[in-house]
Amino acid sequence: TQLLEQSPQFLSIQEGENLTVYCNSSSVFSSLQWYRQEPGEGPVLLVTVVTGGEVKKLKRLTFQFGDARKDSSLHITAAQPGDTGLYLCAGATGSEKLVFGKGTKLTVNP
Amino acid sequence: DAMVIQNPRYQVTQFGKPVTLSCSQTLNHNVMYWYQQKSSQAPKLLFHYYDKDFNNEADTPDNFQSRRPNTSFCFLDIRSPGLGDAAMYLCATSRDLGGPQHFGDGTRLSIL
Repeated sequence: TQLLEQSPQFLSIQEGENLTVYCNSSSVFSSLQWYRQEPGEGPVLLVTVVTGGEVKKLKRLTFQFGDARKDSSLHITAAQPGDTGLYLCAGATGSEKLVFGKGTKLTVNP
Repeated sequence: DAMVIQNPRYQVTQFGKPVTLSCSQTLNHNVMYWYQQKSSQAPKLLFHYYDKDFNNEADTPDNFQSRRPNTSFCFLDIRSPGLGDAAMYLCATSRDLGGPQHFGDGTRLSIL
C-alpha cells in the first residue's frame, strides 16, 4: 500500500510569514498533484509536477518535486488570509488511482 | 462554469432513511469518484467508476452503493444512514486514473 505522509497536519501563522508543507513517501510516483480546499467547497487543483527535481511557481506558491520522485514540498511566501484552507498532496503511479496525503490545515491570521 | 455539479448542496435525512446524492459532469471524463470527507480530514475514497466498470474500495461499507447510468451522471446511495455517515460527500472526475481530478463542491449530509 502506498502512503503519502504529509506534514505538518495543522499550521497557524500570521499574515506575511513564510511556510513550507511537506509530502513524503517511500514510493515513487509518476506525478504529484497539490490541491487546495477552502471551507464549504471541493478541492481545487493547484499544480501537477511530473519530472524529478521540477520546480513550479504559482505567484507566491512554489512547488518542488524531489529528484527521486518520492517527495514534494509546497512553499508559500508572505502568506495572506486568503491562503487559508486545507492543502492536499496526491501521488499518481501510472494508471493507478491517486493516493492522497492526510492534508495540512493552514490558517493565516490577519 | 461549474464542470462537476453536485446536488443537493445540503441534505438532511433521518437515521435509517435511504438517501441519494447526485453528481453530473460536463467534462466527458472517463472516471467518476465518490469521496467521504469528515471535518478537516482528507477525502476518503469510497469507490470509482472507470466508464461502466465499478471499483469498490475494500473498506467501503455495504451500506454505500453507487450507480452510473451514463457518462455524465453518477449517484451515491446510502441505504440505511447511521449517525456516523454524517459528512461531506465529494464527487470528482478525471480523464484517466491517476490524472488530475476535478471536484464538485460537495453535498453536506446531516443525519437526524
